[in-house]
Amino acid sequence: ETGVTQSPTHLIKTRGQQVTLRCSSQSGHNTVSWYQQALGQGPQFIFQYYREEENGRGNFPPRFSGLQFPNYSSELNVNALELDDSALYLCASSPRLATDTQYFGPGTRLTVL
Amino acid sequence: AQSVSQHNHHVILSEAASLELGCNYSYGGTVNLFWYVQYPGQHLQLLLKYFSGDPLVKGIKGFEAEFIKSKFSFNLRKPSVQWSDTAEYFCAVITHNTDKLIFGTGTRLQVFP
Repeated sequence: ETGVTQSPTHLIKTRGQQVTLRCSSQSGHNTVSWYQQALGQGPQFIFQYYREEENGRGNFPPRFSGLQFPNYSSELNVNALELDDSALYLCASSPRLATDTQYFGPGTRLTVL
Repeated sequence: AQSVSQHNHHVILSEAASLELGCNYSYGGTVNLFWYVQYPGQHLQLLLKYFSGDPLVKGIKGFEAEFIKSKFSFNLRKPSVQWSDTAEYFCAVITHNTDKLIFGTGTRLQVFP
């Protein structure tokens, strides 16, 4: 059974640029959630996708957007990057319901200069 | 808004000492509760979870947690810690009305031989 994978591992961008992060969900999982984990903090919920539709959103501005594809993989897009966007971005997948256990990928470390 | 509090930000123990990490949440409805662990350089892994039934749940590596509904608590325990338990521990709650997984700020545990 393949776990959750994310790419790239690390990324360095400058302010104002745009970034796309990718996530492949665990086999059999159709729900994907994205989190931002700043240094020394717990993960903060960005949004969730279920069967290609957004299914809940946290307190993040519209410049954070996402997609889920028919194979349940997902992308997180961030436009107009700001210094405070520097963080570890985590993707998690769950089997069916949003309240099911979520399994996390290794994350993408984004640094904005 | 729902929130999760972890009272211990940094805990230092010697091997064989007992461990208890506090977790409280603020929500009066139905919740699913989780403890995740993040070992140095590794991704978030599920330690244990509570959905319903026996409020004392056992997880991997000898960890257990007790759900006390009246206290809105889900404290993590281990009778005898090992050096390999050095990690960051996160309590997380998902409420059945929002489907959002909310994390505490984490507790950094250091175990010395």
